[in-house]
Amino acid sequence: EAGVTQSPTHLIKTRGQQVTLRCSPISGHTSVYWYQQALGLGLQFLLWYDEGEERNRGNFPPRFSGRQFPNYSSELNVNALELEDSALYLCASSLGLITDTQYFGPGTRLTVL
Amino acid sequence: AQRVTQPEKLLSVFKGAPVELKCNYSYSGSPELFWYVQYSRQRLQLLLRHISRESIKGFTADLNKGETSFHLKKPFAQEEDSAMYYCALQGAQKLVFGQGTRLTINP
Repeated sequence: EAGVTQSPTHLIKTRGQQVTLRCSPISGHTSVYWYQQALGLGLQFLLWYDEGEERNRGNFPPRFSGRQFPNYSSELNVNALELEDSALYLCASSLGLITDTQYFGPGTRLTVL
Repeated sequence: AQRVTQPEKLLSVFKGAPVELKCNYSYSGSPELFWYVQYSRQRLQLLLRHISRESIKGFTADLNKGETSFHLKKPFAQEEDSAMYYCALQGAQKLVFGQGTRLTINP
């Protein structure tokens, strides 16, 4: 069974640019979660999507947004990039309840110069 | 507010010695707690969750509501246990992680 996949693996952008990260969940999973893992800050919850709807978002500014498609894949968009957005962005998927086990992807490493 | 604290960023023990990774939490509701592990060059994965009360790879964790702790323990460390360990709390519609403890098992 294929795990959660994310693309791209690495990304380099400059301040002020916009970026889109992609995530494909495990087959049968309807929930997708996004986390930011910045150096020294641990994993911070960003967004939770289930059945195409945003269910919850973490304490991040509105320039962090996303969506979930009918096939349950998801995109994370970050506008007006700032240096502190440099981080590993992790996607996870689960069966649909927030209490279900989350399975993580390998992450996308974003560097903002 | 939900908060998870792992007081040790780094922990180093010898092979065969007991291991305890500390986790304390703050949450007003009924918590559900997890330990996740990330081995070198692998993705983050669930190690165990308190409701299942399982022992995975020899690790156990007991929820102590009085001390608001969920420490991870193993009686005899093995070299393959070297990894990054994260404690996580499932609260109000989100999973909150601690900052992680890097465990190194010395031969």
